[in-house]
Amino acid sequence: DIQMTQSPSSLPASLGDRVTITCRASQDIGNYLRWFQQKPGKSPRLMIYGATNLAAGVPSRFSGSRSGSDYSLTINSLESEDMAIYYCLQHNEYPLTFGSGTKLEIK
Amino acid sequence: EVQLVESGGGLVQPGASLKLSCVASGFTFSDYWMSWVRQTPGKTMEWIGDIKYDGSYTNYAPSLKNRFTISRDNAKSTLYLQMSNVRSEDTATYYCTRARMDYWGQGVMVTVSS
Repeated sequence: DIQMTQSPSSLPASLGDRVTITCRASQDIGNYLRWFQQKPGKSPRLMIYGATNLAAGVPSRFSGSRSGSDYSLTINSLESEDMAIYYCLQHNEYPLTFGSGTKLEIK
Repeated sequence: EVQLVESGGGLVQPGASLKLSCVASGFTFSDYWMSWVRQTPGKTMEWIGDIKYDGSYTNYAPSLKNRFTISRDNAKSTLYLQMSNVRSEDTATYYCTRARMDYWGQGVMVTVSS
């Protein structure tokens, strides 16, 4: 199985900060990487697909990038509504696998 | 508007069986692969498996394929997850999702306990 190593597990940040969350794939997954946001008590929401593409309705302060086997989600100018848990998912091959999640919280 | 509504969860004893349902609306159900994902109380996400749009093919997480079965009824726009011989570690919130999780249901809780 492909392992997705996500870091950090917890990320205290201040409003207005620029933050980055990273997932490292244990094998080549191309750009078959998605990012999800889950707010407390809610279902996950697709934020990024194809490693770098913004899903419909996602604010432009969110972006995705790739460097080799490292995939990053960056949020520019953090807002209070961005506080959530973020997960990456590889869907290049079965079984699909998630990262362990990053809890983004107010410092 | 895409909607996915799960049902069938609850408290179940170890070793029992349970069938979850997910009714889809707002899109042509028979055009899409569908999948199930679960989230443990500790917030770990686990992909369970998926099913082809016509129901002819399924894929499963290796650790679950002997106990879980995914099926669908396109005439009813409904996705199913049959869980058998459930264990305490199956306690989780179960989500129905469209394709590669571009839409998620609200989730249904399953608690396995005696």
